[in-house]
Amino acid sequence: KQEVTQIPAALSVPEGENLVLNCSFTDSAIYNLQWFRQDPGKGLTSLLLIQSSQREQTSGRLNASLDKSSGRSTLYIAASQPGDSATYLCAVSTDKLIFGTGTRLQVFP
Amino acid sequence: NAGVMQNPRHLVRRRGQEARLRCSPMKGHSHVYWYRQLPEEGLKFMVYLQKENIIDESGMPKERFSAEFPKEGPSILRIQQVVRGDSAAYFCASSPTTAFGTEAFFGQGTRLTVV
Repeated sequence: KQEVTQIPAALSVPEGENLVLNCSFTDSAIYNLQWFRQDPGKGLTSLLLIQSSQREQTSGRLNASLDKSSGRSTLYIAASQPGDSATYLCAVSTDKLIFGTGTRLQVFP
Repeated sequence: NAGVMQNPRHLVRRRGQEARLRCSPMKGHSHVYWYRQLPEEGLKFMVYLQKENIIDESGMPKERFSAEFPKEGPSILRIQQVVRGDSAAYFCASSPTTAFGTEAFFGQGTRLTVV
């Protein structure tokens, strides 16, 4: 059974710091891995999609890496801003998306 | 191309009533997935449907919950005789072809409150 874990569960940092959020999964037989952002009381916004054959994807200040063999992905956020405050979810794709428990990020001015 | 549309955004029901949640997938998407997010918890898979077919309902509670995706119209998640524990955010996602080999797009969710 696929299980997805995210650490840390919560993170509070001052503005400007570079951050690393971690995601691990137990079964490496995945199609892809997605990182999402969820603001309080809102839906999910897709940030990055990494196909199983890829190692990383970049979008602006975000960079996500994937090491399928070890069952790990990281989301790197450069030069964090207060607007980055949200919950970040990773999800692995098999025949359905399996979500991690999320990292709640707070960036303070 | 509008995104995944869910309605209503907020729904309040008294215990014992029925809740009907609607999801219109993105244009050209024929695969729909429903997820439930309990307060302070992650998203849990409920059901995967294609047009007129339930493909995987392994996450659906055995009683009171049902889902459909008719040939015409939105997908419907139906909860009969709601209880307080059904209070949650229900999210719908869609994809264009096969199950999640491609990017998943989510709606804004329906927040169900049972009073």
